[in-house]
Amino acid sequence: DAKTTQPPSMDCAEGRAANLPCNHSTISGNEYVYWYRQIHSQGPQYIIHGLKNNETNEMASLIITEDRKSSTLILPHATLRDTAVYYCIVSPGNQGGKLIFGQGTELSVKP
Amino acid sequence: SQTIHQWPATLVQPVGSPLSLECTVEGTSNPNLYWYRQAAGRGLQLLFYSVGIGQISSEVPQNLSASRPQDRQFILSSKKLLLSDSGFYLCAWSAGQGDGYTFGSGTRLTVV
Repeated sequence: DAKTTQPPSMDCAEGRAANLPCNHSTISGNEYVYWYRQIHSQGPQYIIHGLKNNETNEMASLIITEDRKSSTLILPHATLRDTAVYYCIVSPGNQGGKLIFGQGTELSVKP
Repeated sequence: SQTIHQWPATLVQPVGSPLSLECTVEGTSNPNLYWYRQAAGRGLQLLFYSVGIGQISSEVPQNLSASRPQDRQFILSSKKLLLSDSGFYLCAWSAGQGDGYTFGSGTRLTVV
């Protein structure tokens, strides 16, 4: 079973920031928070991951609360091409760590 | 750089026929390998994963099997396909140690 809870859907206006929340209240100390997205009919695409500290890359920012029980993925300037299902996953990073996908959040970016 | 190849892209097979889907990874050694399935309108379900040659772990009981005959080759098979085996099959790899997964482009299987 997935260990995260995400809203099933969200809308965002093009050009605005998209903030996607995720709850993972049972996360263990050795588990990372991963974010992936899946555009229709394609394989999932890695976005970002983190353990404790906030992370930023060219795609997004990941904000993890101090108690690590929740996180937020931020797409700073959403475009129509960001319309996708976004998955938040927690998993240990060691050898054999598995990604168990939940239902994700379907983000619709509207003009 | 590392690349993952998965084929075929689409496949239509009759019920009761065998199946063999192949996935290969280039540019890395000893990857963790994974097979996922996504039924229409559903989420991704982990089917098998492998941390080394000949080491296969099955996540769910089903009509499928997996093998890893070489370090960077992962094969998904079935002796007799069922209608319920239809779906989008995705192979993925990771280096472990907290790295993310990289997914292949997937095979859309329709069993008729």
